[in-house]
Amino acid sequence: GAVVSQHPSWVICKSGTSVKIECRSLDFQATTMFWYRQFPKQSLMLMATSNEGSKATYEQGVEKDKFLINHASLTLSTLTVTSAHPEDSSFYICSAQSPGPRGTEAFFGQGTRLTVV
Amino acid sequence: AQTVTQSQPEMSVQEAETVTLSCTYDTSENNYYLFWYKQPPSRQMILVIRQEAYKQQNATENRFSVNFQKAAKSFSLKISDSQLGDTAMYFCAFKYSGTYKYIFGTGTRLKVLA
Repeated sequence: GAVVSQHPSWVICKSGTSVKIECRSLDFQATTMFWYRQFPKQSLMLMATSNEGSKATYEQGVEKDKFLINHASLTLSTLTVTSAHPEDSSFYICSAQSPGPRGTEAFFGQGTRLTVV
Repeated sequence: AQTVTQSQPEMSVQEAETVTLSCTYDTSENNYYLFWYKQPPSRQMILVIRQEAYKQQNATENRFSVNFQKAAKSFSLKISDSQLGDTAMYFCAFKYSGTYKYIFGTGTRLKVLA
């Protein structure tokens, strides 16, 4: 299957600073990528849909000024957690859709564990 | 709104035995896809199996098979000959045909016992 790479795998930052997480589709072009947040032992919660060349679409309750998404190319989307606070500590996962013979299928990055201290 | 329900938060099975994970969903549409994803301790989401709603035949991938009951809106996953490496969180997911958005269930934590 297609490969989606997420970087970094884990990051620790100080409260008040900003953190950028990258999501890359390595062997296909992804016009649409998704960002999820996962709390311990819980399901994936969709945060936003990232569209190449246009503004991201945020789910209800997600602060767009807090979670900045940029999808500047067909292979890269970034999520920036601005002015991070301890409550932003979580596991963040991206996915990219690959159109193919079996229809669109989501491929996931390996996730990023963010800890804000 | 579409919902996906996994009623078993945790399950365990002896190695080499068979286990079934349940999933129900709610939709008024006719064209959609259903998926089972596995999330092992590494947290990497891995596609286990997928089913197109228009297909009556149940999908099968080696030791994994589904029981897709469209009228009942049920989509259970059967794992045969369970292996220790099957220990993971399993998520059922739903996607409308022609859209990109996935809706995930709350997950079932499966533990395979030696």
